[in-house]
Amino acid sequence: DVKVTQSSRYLVKRTGEKVFLECVQDMDHENMFWYRQDPGLGLRLIYFSYDVKMKEKGDIPEGYSVSREKKERFSLILESASTNQTSMYLCASSLNWAIYEAFFGQGTRLTVV
Amino acid sequence: AQKVTQAQTEISVVEKEDVTLDCVYETRDTTYYLFWYKQPPSGELVFLIRRNSFDEQNEISGRYSWNFQKSTSSFNFTITASQVVDSAVYFCALSEPTDSWGKLQFGAGTQVVVTP
Repeated sequence: DVKVTQSSRYLVKRTGEKVFLECVQDMDHENMFWYRQDPGLGLRLIYFSYDVKMKEKGDIPEGYSVSREKKERFSLILESASTNQTSMYLCASSLNWAIYEAFFGQGTRLTVV
Repeated sequence: AQKVTQAQTEISVVEKEDVTLDCVYETRDTTYYLFWYKQPPSGELVFLIRRNSFDEQNEISGRYSWNFQKSTSSFNFTITASQVVDSAVYFCALSEPTDSWGKLQFGAGTQVVVTP
């Protein structure tokens, strides 16, 4: 079974902190994604990566950056956390573009205080 | 603009009732893919089905069935004889080449509550 693992289930950070959310997948997938989930808004794509060191902005990249130094790991970075970044963050991976199903991690509930 | 619309925010049913979730999408591409995902209370989205734009056959998998109609840009999902374990948020999603194959556009989701 594909496993997508997010490093934390719950995080509480202070405003202005630099926050790292880590995601690891074990199935050699080319594509990895970071989504943000908010009530009534569904999932919104922040960034995705289709190869090591390659990234593309999604719909809401402002305030975020990403890093993919190894194929299995995709990190989401909040440069200076703000309260409006309090949300559920979901990482996903897929074999090759989004024509194949994506496999999701369990999510990280981030609270910025 | 929202490309995937799930107009139903929440649907409550009693066990054994059928429930249909609506999904309407927008695209100018002739080739695209549609998906349904389930998010149980544990939080991890689970893939249910993928359908490409050239395959309009309806599909049935156990108690789940999907009705894809290109003429109305809809990809509806029916759970027959619902069970408490079906309680979850269900998301419809679209993938299209002009918006980069890498992006899955999700709808807002429909919360299904099944009570005994």
